Amino acid sequence: GAGVSQSPSNKVTEKGKDVELRCDPISGHTALYWYRQSLGQGLEFLIYFQGNSAPDKSGLPSDRFSAERTGGSVSTLTIQRTQQEDSAVYLCASSLWAQGEQYFGPGTRLTVT
Amino acid sequence: SQELEQSPQSLIVQEGKNLTINCTSSKTLYGLYWYKQKYGEGLIFLMMLQKGGEEKSHEKITAKLDEKKQQSSLHITASQPSHAGIYLCGAGRGGGADGLTFGKGTHLIIQP
Repeated sequence: GAGVSQSPSNKVTEKGKDVELRCDPISGHTALYWYRQSLGQGLEFLIYFQGNSAPDKSGLPSDRFSAERTGGSVSTLTIQRTQQEDSAVYLCASSLWAQGEQYFGPGTRLTVT
Repeated sequence: SQELEQSPQSLIVQEGKNLTINCTSSKTLYGLYWYKQKYGEGLIFLMMLQKGGEEKSHEKITAKLDEKKQQSSLHITASQPSHAGIYLCGAGRGGGADGLTFGKGTHLIIQP
């Protein structure tokens, strides 16, 4: 079956612009996660959605970052007023249940110039 | 918060040789995940270990969990070029929080 898909695969934006990153999880997976991978910090947890429950936003680095998940499926990660330190690969993952194995998408490489 | 340290950071191994990668946690491990990442690509799930002493194998890769030592090891037998990549261990963030904390990764290069 189809895996986790993310779009766009690459995004170059100017400092100060807003960006939206999209994630389509595996069909039937109730849990969805966003992570960020950068050279200096490694792979960091950002936010977690479980079904229709309120998301766990404890990993978001600032209030410029937000995410939503519509209809318990597709998720969008929004970064407002992008900064150069936001440059990273943003990875989305989904799992069948909260503690199950997570399956990752190919990521969106964000470059802020 | 949970912190995971992987060793070695990088490893160059001649094709056909065996190798081991270690992942040590700063806190009690309740579950440990191993992933592989090819350069510029997403993470591929390898194995999940949940119980102390648990050992799982897939093809030539074996992973073990030692809860007492708060450590997991990943062993590759008779390495092949297809094993090259970055190996990452992940564990629950702890305190009932969801999502994973990851180690910095081990870069594995297989020399022909």
